[in-house]
Amino acid sequence: KQEVTQIPAALSVPEGENLVLNCSFTDSAIYNLQWFRQDPGKGLTSLLLIQSSQREQTSGRLNASLDKSSGRSTLYIAASQPGDSATYLCAGGSEKLVFGKGTKLTVNP
Amino acid sequence: EAQVTQNPRYLITVTGKKLTVTCSQNMNHEYMSWYRQDPGLGLRQIYYSMNVEVTDKGDVPEGYKVSRKEKRNFPLILESPSPNQTSLYFCASSLLIRGIEETQYFGPGTRLLVL
Repeated sequence: KQEVTQIPAALSVPEGENLVLNCSFTDSAIYNLQWFRQDPGKGLTSLLLIQSSQREQTSGRLNASLDKSSGRSTLYIAASQPGDSATYLCAGGSEKLVFGKGTKLTVNP
Repeated sequence: EAQVTQNPRYLITVTGKKLTVTCSQNMNHEYMSWYRQDPGLGLRQIYYSMNVEVTDKGDVPEGYKVSRKEKRNFPLILESPSPNQTSLYFCASSLLIRGIEETQYFGPGTRLLVL
């Protein structure tokens, strides 16, 4: 059974810092790996999707990588801003998506 | 605008009173699913549907029913709600490409309190 883990559960950084969020999964036979953002009391917004055949995807200041052999994905956020403060979730799976519990990011002005 | 809508957004009810949470998407997506989100437990899938008239259980289906009579709609039914179903519920949809879900689009959520 797929298990997805995100460490740390919470992260606080000063504005402008580059940061990396980590996601690990137990079953390497995933079809794709998705990163989402969730603001308090709101739904999830898809940020990036990496297909199993890809190694990374980029969107603006965000870059997500996927290493199936090690069971890891990272989300890199460049030049962080207070507006990046949110909970970030990763999800992957082979038959269905399994979500991690998220990393709560706070970017301090 | 491409979106997933849910209604109601907030609901307070009492134990045993049947309720339905509606979900609708306007993107012609084949795949739709329901999740519940609880503190410390994360997102857990309740039911999903690969297409019209095709539904299957997720990780926590007990106490819930769904139907998929039209492609755009996927209602969640609680026949006899109990306090342990108090939660934040999300509907999501996505395209299926070669049977695999693509980017998932989430609704805004329905916060349910069962007294």
